[in-house]
Amino acid sequence: EPEVTQTPSHQVTQMGQEVILRCVPISNHLYFYWYRQILGQKVEFLVSFYNNEISEKSEIFDDQFSVERPDGSNFTLKIRSTKLEDSAMYFCASSDGKTTAPPDTQYFGPGTRLTVL
Amino acid sequence: LAKTTQPVSMDSYEGQEVNITCSHNNIATNDYITWYQQFPSQGPRFIIQGYKTKVTNEVASLFIPADRKSSTLSLPRVSLSDTAVYYCLVDGGATNKLIFGTGTLLAVQP
Repeated sequence: EPEVTQTPSHQVTQMGQEVILRCVPISNHLYFYWYRQILGQKVEFLVSFYNNEISEKSEIFDDQFSVERPDGSNFTLKIRSTKLEDSAMYFCASSDGKTTAPPDTQYFGPGTRLTVL
Repeated sequence: LAKTTQPVSMDSYEGQEVNITCSHNNIATNDYITWYQQFPSQGPRFIIQGYKTKVTNEVASLFIPADRKSSTLSLPRVSLSDTAVYYCLVDGGATNKLIFGTGTLLAVQP
């Protein structure tokens, strides 16, 4: 069964450093997403991406965040200058985008645990 | 997006049937009800989705009464590996973002 993959599984960084989290969505999917989950808290939507542009973003997704699809397979999340509060699990997801009703099933990757020291 | 309410936690034993109810009083006509499962340190995983009446797949059943103001996820004969957080989401698909609540932590004991 196709699956979403993410690298690295763990990332430790110093406050103020840039990090890039990588994802390989399912190959025929058209929509890509990033979510985050701070330890013990809810899964929170960050951004959705379709047709090489952001389709929606949350308040969390400020100027420190950016997304890119640098080639036909990868989807990346960049945090420009990490803060302590960016420590969380970051999940990438993808969906085929074939329907609006019912809502697409989103397939999540295993996550990247980001620790900012 | 319609607000959902579900129990914070539930306990069960192996082999039992577990029913988790979600309340969504303000569900809109075009909203669907979707359940996701999340194991510790993993991403959420789609379980089942429905609009009305009953939906069944190889993993679970979803019961939705005629007024659609609630729904019940039914897990037959749970095992220890069903210990997870279960999320009920209500969405019409107009946007593609998923809004997760706090979910229900199901703890299955031997």
